Amino acid sequence: GIQVEQSPPDLILQEGANSTLRCNFSDSVNNLQWFHQNPWGQLINLFYIPSGTKQNGRLSATTVATERYSLLYISSSQTTDSGVYFCAVGSSGGYNKLIFGAGTRLAVHP
Amino acid sequence: DSGVTQTPKHLITATGQRVTLRCSPRSGDLSVYWYQQSLDQGLQFLIQYYNGEERAKGNILERFSAQQFPDLHSELNLSSLELGDSALYFCASSTLTSFDTQYFGPGTRLTVL
Repeated sequence: GIQVEQSPPDLILQEGANSTLRCNFSDSVNNLQWFHQNPWGQLINLFYIPSGTKQNGRLSATTVATERYSLLYISSSQTTDSGVYFCAVGSSGGYNKLIFGAGTRLAVHP
Repeated sequence: DSGVTQTPKHLITATGQRVTLRCSPRSGDLSVYWYQQSLDQGLQFLIQYYNGEERAKGNILERFSAQQFPDLHSELNLSSLELGDSALYFCASSTLTSFDTQYFGPGTRLTVL
């Protein structure tokens, strides 16, 4: 099955810094989503981005499907950005089950 | 708020017991998915239903079963519980069965003692 690798596994930032999180996947996908899991365990949908670029406020994401990677950019980070960021992909084959990476744990300090 | 609701939020039970987790999808969504998040296995897909029919199965144990009812809500039944079943169980929903955003509920945290 599809393998999903996220890097870095851990990231510590000062408030106001920028960061880039990476997701590599091993096969073609028909779905790619980025999630933020907050300290209370909630999984918040950030982007549905199987290809192309999207922006939402301080967050943006780019997926280059032909090269099998996606990037999540966080600018001007805030303490509320802390948590775990997951990349999840859906394999081709007609169904939508998501395969999750291990996540990037982000800590933003004031 | 994703629009997906799950009950209960927390569940504490003993080994060998049976529990039922409930999920109501977003209004209009026909697909429901169940995922398990544990410390050792990470987030894993369990099973998918679309408009009442099972569509895809992942690493779901035989002790676990699910169904989707005519009103589109879904239940995940876990039986003969073991300590290792302690995890956060998420339900997600989407409009379509593929090529579509999945929205996740708040999860049910199951603790087996």
